[in-house]
Amino acid sequence: EAQVTQNPRYLITVTGKKLTVTCSQNMNHEYMSWYRQDPGLGLRQIYYSMNVEVTDKGDVPEGYKVSRKEKRNFPLILESPSPNQTSLYFCASSRHDTDTQYFGPGTRLTVL
Amino acid sequence: AQRVTQPEKLLSVFKGAPVELKCNYSYSGSPELFWYVQYSRQRLQLLLRHISRESIKGFTADLNKGETSFHLKKPFAQEEDSAMYYCALSGNTGFQKLVFGTGTRLLVSP
Repeated sequence: EAQVTQNPRYLITVTGKKLTVTCSQNMNHEYMSWYRQDPGLGLRQIYYSMNVEVTDKGDVPEGYKVSRKEKRNFPLILESPSPNQTSLYFCASSRHDTDTQYFGPGTRLTVL
Repeated sequence: AQRVTQPEKLLSVFKGAPVELKCNYSYSGSPELFWYVQYSRQRLQLLLRHISRESIKGFTADLNKGETSFHLKKPFAQEEDSAMYYCALSGNTGFQKLVFGTGTRLLVSP
C-alpha cells in the first residue's frame, strides 16, 4: 500500500531533550516536506526537500533540522525542543513540484 | 509573497443546503491551487486541484484570476462532508513551496 508513515504518533518530552520524528514514504517520491499545524494558523511549512541531499527552509524553520540521506526518509530533528514547538506535525511527499501531496498521519508533540 | 486567505473559521449548514468555502490568494505569478480535506481522525488528503477541472464528491472549485479566488462549492451538503478544509497554493517556480490557508471547519447538521 502506497503511504507515508511517521513515528512516533504521540510524544511528550521536556525542554531541551533532543528528539527525532521519522518520516518514510514508499512511493519513490522526490519531494518531501514537513508542516506544523496550529489552531488558527493552519499548516505552515517547516522544511522541504526536492531530492536526496537537497533541502531548503520553509516558512518556519527556526529550531528544526532535517536531513535527506535516502529518497524514502526525511526525518525532522529538534535539537533542543521548547514549549512553543508543541504542535501537530505532518510529513508529506509528492512526485514532483506542484503535484498532489500525500500526507502522513501526523505526530502530536508536547514539549513541557 | 504567496498568501492564502480563508476568511471563515467555521461554516455551519444544514444537510441539503448549498455550501461555499471561500479562498482568496495573493501571488504574482500563475498559481497552482488545491483544496485539501481532513476528516475527523484522518490525515489530510487532496480533494481537488484547479488544473484537473474535476468534481470530487460533488465539490467543484473554479479559479477566478480576476478576483484571485478559488472558492469551493457544493450544491447540496451531506453530513459526511463535515471536515476541515484547507485551500493551498503552489507557485510555478519549479520548486516545491506549498502555502496553506488557516482552514475552514465545515459542520453539516442533519
